[in-house]
Amino acid sequence: GAVVSQHPSRVICKSGTSVKIECRSLDFQATTMFWYRQFPKQSLMLMATSNEGSKATYEQGVEKDKFLINHASLTLSTLTVTSAHPEDSSFYICSAPGTANTGELFFGEGSRLTVL
Amino acid sequence: QKEVEQNSGPLSVPEGAIASLNCTYSDRGSQSFFWYRQYSGKSPELIMSIYSNGDKEDGRFTAQLNKASQYVSLLIRDSQPSDSATYLCAVKRVGRRALTFGSGTRLQVQP
Repeated sequence: GAVVSQHPSRVICKSGTSVKIECRSLDFQATTMFWYRQFPKQSLMLMATSNEGSKATYEQGVEKDKFLINHASLTLSTLTVTSAHPEDSSFYICSAPGTANTGELFFGEGSRLTVL
Repeated sequence: QKEVEQNSGPLSVPEGAIASLNCTYSDRGSQSFFWYRQYSGKSPELIMSIYSNGDKEDGRFTAQLNKASQYVSLLIRDSQPSDSATYLCAVKRVGRRALTFGSGTRLQVQP
């Protein structure tokens, strides 16, 4: 299967600072990546679709100026949480569709963000 | 109505028993269905995919799909303590590449 790597796995930051999370497809090219967020004991909620070479598409209710997404290459998408606040503390997971066009998604390891 | 619904559990079964996990979805046009397993603090990993009505078996796992009833299930035979995790049902809706997830069912397999 396709391998997606995410970094960092854990990050703690102070309120008001910005945090960048990287998502890489290691053995395939991903023109599209998806960023999900998961609060404790809740489901994965899609935040945005990252599109290589163009603007990301954000889900309703997700602030595009707060959650900056850049997909500058076919193997790398980044999510920057700007001016983070404690309510942004969550588990952020990126994913990419595989090359077989079966609809399944391959997930990165996830990034646990804690904002103090 | 949630797009994908699952009983949150926990579902507790003894080791060696069959665990039955259920999921319903609201979008009748949904085409592809997936079961992911998620251990605490980890990201989801794919267990099964199913695209047409009926049963699909893979080792100890069997996925069942009934599009008329908008129902998907996952059976785990000979449950092991290592199967204890949250199982997420995911649906690919028409016109969308991302998957929509249910809230997950927590399974506990008692040794």
